[in-house]
Amino acid sequence: GQNIDQPTEMTATEGAIVQINCTYQTSGFNGLFWYQQHAGEAPTFLSYNVLDGLEEKGRFSSFLSRSKGYSYLLLKELQMKDSASYLCAVMDSNYQLIWGAGTKLIIKP
Amino acid sequence: GAVVSQHPSRVICKSGTSVKIECRSLDFQATTMFWYRQFPKKSLMLMATSNEGSKATYEQGVEKDKFLINHASLTLSTLTVTSAHPEDSSFYICSARDGSRGDQETQYFGPGTRLLVL
Repeated sequence: GQNIDQPTEMTATEGAIVQINCTYQTSGFNGLFWYQQHAGEAPTFLSYNVLDGLEEKGRFSSFLSRSKGYSYLLLKELQMKDSASYLCAVMDSNYQLIWGAGTKLIIKP
Repeated sequence: GAVVSQHPSRVICKSGTSVKIECRSLDFQATTMFWYRQFPKKSLMLMATSNEGSKATYEQGVEKDKFLINHASLTLSTLTVTSAHPEDSSFYICSARDGSRGDQETQYFGPGTRLLVL
């Protein structure tokens, strides 16, 4: 079956760095997405990786290793507003999105 | 874990016809379901929120007469795109909230339906 795993919850300190991991097993691969979702709001697109390597976008970076079925989202210089759920989703060979359950990130002062 | 399915996964239709997309929660009762539209590499745009047994709440700018939403049971919500036009071509994603859980934040997302209107 198809499966996406990511931690349920993580806690980090304001100003620090946090890495949210995502591992996947899917039938085919057409890219991996990271979304940020604040409570009561729609998910916001953060990144899309389809080739191996690191994509950096400001304070956020996303890494992909297709051979390992692994990705991570790296958040630097954490701010209180980064407290949110982070969703990992993989697009399979049928261009369907397989979603992780989300990682709730709690930022403490 | 909770599973949400959508049917069909992809559909091609002629301009002017109507298309119905189903969203089902497979192992839980979804008191609330959400319908989103996604453009390539863009954030999900919330179209409407539906609660079982009541009328859907539409976001500003979403035509309720064009995008008909029915949430007739705790496991099924449908989105009907009426008189579809090429600009309605998009990826439609539903999500569901498990009513039995105390957590009111967690949503379970469906795999999406790709609509192409010719």
